Amino acid sequence: AQKVTQAQTEISVVEKEDVTLDCVYETRDTTYYLFWYKQPPSGELVFLIRRNSFDEQNEISGRYSWNFQKSTSSFNFTITASQVVDSAVYFCALSGLNSGYALNFGKGTSLLVTP
Amino acid sequence: EAQVTQNPRYLITVTGKKLTVTCSQNMNHEYMSWYRQDPGLGLRQIYYSMNVEVTDKGDVPEGYKVSRKEKRNFPLILESPSPNQTSLYFCASKGGEVRHEQFFGPGTRLTVL
Repeated sequence: AQKVTQAQTEISVVEKEDVTLDCVYETRDTTYYLFWYKQPPSGELVFLIRRNSFDEQNEISGRYSWNFQKSTSSFNFTITASQVVDSAVYFCALSGLNSGYALNFGKGTSLLVTP
Repeated sequence: EAQVTQNPRYLITVTGKKLTVTCSQNMNHEYMSWYRQDPGLGLRQIYYSMNVEVTDKGDVPEGYKVSRKEKRNFPLILESPSPNQTSLYFCASKGGEVRHEQFFGPGTRLTVL
């Protein structure tokens, strides 16, 4: 069975603060893929990043960075110098090679960035 | 433009009145799926399809039907909607490998009175 836990239900920060969204996962698959999606207030789901289980290299994309640690089964997402436009619900998700194409989502973290 | 489209975007209906939410993708993806999103529960998969004429149940299939007669279309059918099916519905598609990310439609907000 696969499970994704996003323990932070809601986070509120002031603009320009750094914020980290936590994601912990469980899987029996040795090959698996981790994803982050953003859901802004308009409602659509926007793909942000995919990580393969065999590649633990961290990734940075502008103000966004991701820290993947297999030893702790975590795939955390950090926004540096947050902006009001970052306000959204963020979902972490997991799919495993032996679990087919099913994408298991965490329950999401709602991030509010205030001016 | 590569996209997944859903119609309608908003729908208010009454209990028991059959409805269909259409989903279409133009990326020639084999895999398509439906999710529902509810507060505090995140996204849960309803049904999925690995290819034409191949469909299977997800985590919450009760009360829903799907069909996949063409590769690009994957309609979601509610034969007799009930209030507990009030939700935000997303259709998604992805390419032929597990590692591929899913592309989501804009969502359909359904209210069943």
